[in-house]
Amino acid sequence: KNQVEQSPQSLIILEGKNCTLQCNYTVSPFSNLRWYKQDTGRGPVSLTIMTFSENTKSNGRYTATLDADTKQSSLHITASQLSDSASYICVVSDRGSTLGRLYFGRGTQLTVWP
Amino acid sequence: EADIYQTPRYLVIGTGKKITLECSQTMGHDKMYWYQQDPGMELHLIHYSYGVNSTEKGDLSSESTVSRIRTEHFPLTLESARPSHTSQYLCASSRTDRTFLIETQYFGPGTRLLVL
Repeated sequence: KNQVEQSPQSLIILEGKNCTLQCNYTVSPFSNLRWYKQDTGRGPVSLTIMTFSENTKSNGRYTATLDADTKQSSLHITASQLSDSASYICVVSDRGSTLGRLYFGRGTQLTVWP
Repeated sequence: EADIYQTPRYLVIGTGKKITLECSQTMGHDKMYWYQQDPGMELHLIHYSYGVNSTEKGDLSSESTVSRIRTEHFPLTLESARPSHTSQYLCASSRTDRTFLIETQYFGPGTRLLVL
């Protein structure tokens, strides 16, 4: 069983609307959680990163939240644009060192329609 | 945009052929990685390197091999390609923030491999 579960698997929204993507994890110990955006045919690009002491982090129209107690994170996208169409991947690291291992979710495929 | 490059971007090849996927980075990162990603699935680590002459196998068993003769170069080789090797291969390199001990991985654009 994957230790990082994302929902929904796919999502279609209209341009200008907001949406929220979910990430639940069971990774322990926990060091940090990162959201990546992966455009079709490209490699993932980091959007935000949060350690256990942070519960919210923004990057433009992207806002990530983290509840380390319930092991849940969300990525909220406001005023969506066509360029937001991509896969959004949640990645959890189990320790903050060179020995840390990364656990990848399967991603949420977001499609923004005009 | 990260300075990490992969070639070729797309490759269609017949069964039994030997192939090498190239990956290079100009950021001076010591650590480099190869991931395999199938559509709709998570990334799986197949190889990593902590520096020159250092290579390790990842979590997912792979018939591929890697080498790290230069810091900036981390090629992946398949001696005899098979249809089961069809996938997307992503290369990454990383640096570690020494203050917060947070590692940031930078990914290349990937190579889509199709073995017929």
